[in-house]
Amino acid sequence: AQSVAQPEDQVNVAEGNPLTVKCTYSVSGNPYLFWYVQYPNRGLQFLLKYITGDNLVKGSYGFEAEFNKSQTSFHLKKPSALVSDSALYFCAVRDFGFNKFYFGSGTKLNVKP
Amino acid sequence: GAVVSQHPSWVICKSGTSVKIECRSLDFQATTMFWYRQFPKQSLMLMATSNEGSKATYEQGVEKDKFLINHASLTLSTLTVTSAHPEDSSFYICSASPQNGHYSNQPQHFGDGTRLSIL
Repeated sequence: AQSVAQPEDQVNVAEGNPLTVKCTYSVSGNPYLFWYVQYPNRGLQFLLKYITGDNLVKGSYGFEAEFNKSQTSFHLKKPSALVSDSALYFCAVRDFGFNKFYFGSGTKLNVKP
Repeated sequence: GAVVSQHPSWVICKSGTSVKIECRSLDFQATTMFWYRQFPKQSLMLMATSNEGSKATYEQGVEKDKFLINHASLTLSTLTVTSAHPEDSSFYICSASPQNGHYSNQPQHFGDGTRLSIL
């Protein structure tokens, strides 16, 4: 079965500093990987996806993610964090066979002024 | 872009009441929609897959008689929580994608969720 893991419940970073939110995956076959962000009392917003091609994927709001096949990781990154980036971030993988998405446990990002 | 609308955003009702939540795809057709439940500070739990014109597929442990799903058109799925009790209080979120084939690489687009509070 497909799965993703987010090892950090919370990440704290100062505004202006680079941020990384970690995600590792376990899939059979080629992975379709996604990152979403959730603000309080809202649904999830799509940030970016990796399907194939370049290992560095660029997405919305200045976020990017690096796909690393050997380490089975798909870490979310941003060169300079903003206070408004503070939110809950989810990594997800798509299961081909059952047309489902599996989500990680989520990482709360806190960006301090 | 693809927009999913969910209504209502907030419901407070008495124990024993049935509550209906609507999920609409506004600018695309969706043969499949998904319903999730999210507990505080936790991830999304997939409850069921809603299939247009056929029965929903429920995840293990989800009571299909408790959580009724209807997907009568290509743009609307509804989740009805029947005879709701305080333990059903939660945040419910739906999602859909413009493309739902098994090999689709499209992301899911989410509604803004419904906060359900049962007194």
